[in-house]
Amino acid sequence: DGGITQSPKYLFRKEGQNVTLSCEQNLNHDAMYWYRQDPGQGLRLIYYSQIVNDFQKGDIAEGYSVSREKKESFPLTVTSAQKNPTAFYLCASSVTGFGYTFGSGTRLTVV
Amino acid sequence: QQQVKQSPQSLIVQKGGISIINCAYENTAFDYFPWYQQFPGKGPALLIAIRPDVSEKKEGRFTISFNKSAKQFSLHIMDSQPGDSATYFCAASETSGSRLTFGEGTQLTVNP
Repeated sequence: DGGITQSPKYLFRKEGQNVTLSCEQNLNHDAMYWYRQDPGQGLRLIYYSQIVNDFQKGDIAEGYSVSREKKESFPLTVTSAQKNPTAFYLCASSVTGFGYTFGSGTRLTVV
Repeated sequence: QQQVKQSPQSLIVQKGGISIINCAYENTAFDYFPWYQQFPGKGPALLIAIRPDVSEKKEGRFTISFNKSAKQFSLHIMDSQPGDSATYFCAASETSGSRLTFGEGTQLTVNP
């Protein structure tokens, strides 16, 4: 079945650590996105990529980094510069002109 | 220009009632309007979507009403059920681009 796989489902980060969240899709979608969702809040765009080897900052890119070396993969690194990283992270992909398909999310907690 | 405003922020409805969530947009280039449903701890899932060449689209108990002149669209959930309790997001995009602009979300609770 086609879809988006995010891993891990739960992730714990110590202060000062970088962590990487995985996002893989087999939908052959060109565009991929990373969103952050805080409890009871909406979706805030971190980064997006419309084509391999190219990506753009979203509304809250500070403290995050991404890469897009393959069409299927769009990993997100939460760096130590992100001071409040505890949140629910959602990856999505899309075909131009249509809606997104979301992954099931990664819940990141700072310990 | 790029905002999509959604209301209400939260909504409580009795089982069997009608749930109505409204969204308004400013960018007249938007021509794709999807609604997403999100259960706690899960990713949002596409529920129903409309393009501005029609004023209404119905899928089962879910209906989108679209008013192009007012730049507004709404989701109606008929015969609301406790299983419909979730957060609903409206969104909009230009067909020529792929990035969606999301509303702030509405937390719907359907009481038994």
